[in-house]
Amino acid sequence: QKEVEQDPGPLSVPEGAIVSLNCTYSNSAFQYFMWYRQYSRKGPELLMYTYSSGNKEDGRFTAQVDKSSKYISLFIRDSQPSDSATYLCAMSPYSSASKIIFGSGTRLSIRP
Amino acid sequence: DAGVIQSPRHEVTEMGQEVTLRCKPISGHNSLFWYRQTMMRGLELLIYFNNNVPIDDSGMPEDRFSAKMPNASFSTLKIQPSEPRDSAVYFCASSFDEELFFGEGSRLTVL
Repeated sequence: QKEVEQDPGPLSVPEGAIVSLNCTYSNSAFQYFMWYRQYSRKGPELLMYTYSSGNKEDGRFTAQVDKSSKYISLFIRDSQPSDSATYLCAMSPYSSASKIIFGSGTRLSIRP
Repeated sequence: DAGVIQSPRHEVTEMGQEVTLRCKPISGHNSLFWYRQTMMRGLELLIYFNNNVPIDDSGMPEDRFSAKMPNASFSTLKIQPSEPRDSAVYFCASSFDEELFFGEGSRLTVL
């Protein structure tokens, strides 16, 4: 079993829809949770960063962490075609970048 | 800042040839990472350096792979000899805290 599981998709939704992306994990030592966005033929870039359980909102994006269930989510409101990308969840037991484990990524397509 | 710069962007080579991928990290970042991304295995950490010193190379697949960081502004990942199963996108990333800044990747195809 992988430490981090993520549905690869692809996920296709109409513009304006609410998108929910999810990951589960098995290592209870993970304390720091991230979402990276990767456009086609580009490197991943950090989208959201959270510590421990709870919610964090940034514009149209909300990251949610439920440590008791070992489950994290990313919600995108009012989705736009420019949100079409692969979204990788990532997590680490430390605040350092050296121990980050990535999910396999979910490919998202927003239809105009 | 121009971000993390990788070269070449694309490389097509034949099995058995030596491949050298290059990376220039963001100035001021003290950690540098080499990742490999494939459809089957996702994004895998190969090796990372801190202050130019290799700290963890447990992700390097085998002895055919080697990485160096001779100074704070340059790193190489070498594959010798290359094999078709090495075909992947290789990313370099740099960091000074918890955030990774990735380059645009080097797409390697080994025939």
